[in-house]
Amino acid sequence: EPEVTQTPSHQVTQMGQEVILRCVPISNHLYFYWYRQILGQKVEFLVSFYNNEISEKSEIFDDQFSVERPDGSNFTLKIRSTKLEDSAMYFCASRVTGDYEQYFGPGTRLTVT
Amino acid sequence: AQSVTQLGSHVSVSEGALVLLRCNYSSSVPPYLFWYVQYPNQGLQLLLKYTSAATLVKGINGFEAEFKKSETSFHLTKPSAHMSDAAEYFCAVSDKSNSGYALNFGKGTSLLVTP
Repeated sequence: EPEVTQTPSHQVTQMGQEVILRCVPISNHLYFYWYRQILGQKVEFLVSFYNNEISEKSEIFDDQFSVERPDGSNFTLKIRSTKLEDSAMYFCASRVTGDYEQYFGPGTRLTVT
Repeated sequence: AQSVTQLGSHVSVSEGALVLLRCNYSSSVPPYLFWYVQYPNQGLQLLLKYTSAATLVKGINGFEAEFKKSETSFHLTKPSAHMSDAAEYFCAVSDKSNSGYALNFGKGTSLLVTP
């Protein structure tokens, strides 16, 4: 069964460093998403991406964040200068056109020290 | 924007007992609603979804949910709990005011199943 994959599973970085989280959505999916979950809190929407551009973003998704689809398979989330409060689990998700079910990856746990 | 509220951050049931996890939604338009389960240190797995077809929706692992417009509810049930059902459960609504149909999640309910 096709699945969304994410790498790395765990990333530790120092405050102020740039990180790139990578996702490979399911191959025939055209809508892509990033969510985050701070430990013990609910899952929060960050950004949605369709047709090579951001379709919506939340207040959390400020200028420190960017997304990119560098090739036909990868979808990346970059945090330019990490802060302690960026420590969270980051989930990538994707869906097909016409179906609103989103398929989630296993997540990347980001720890900022 | 659409939103959901999950009543009860923690629910404890005995093995074999009925599971009832509550979710109420707020939406000005007919919503798309979802229940996801998260096992420890894992990602989110879809249990079931309501997208304006049948109001009683059956999902995986014996779970089902009923969409009740009059009560703005989408409660999750399972007739008989199993130890393996212990997990975090999230109700979510697809935000139709958002062109990407992003999901707005509830705060989650942690289900504990005791022997």
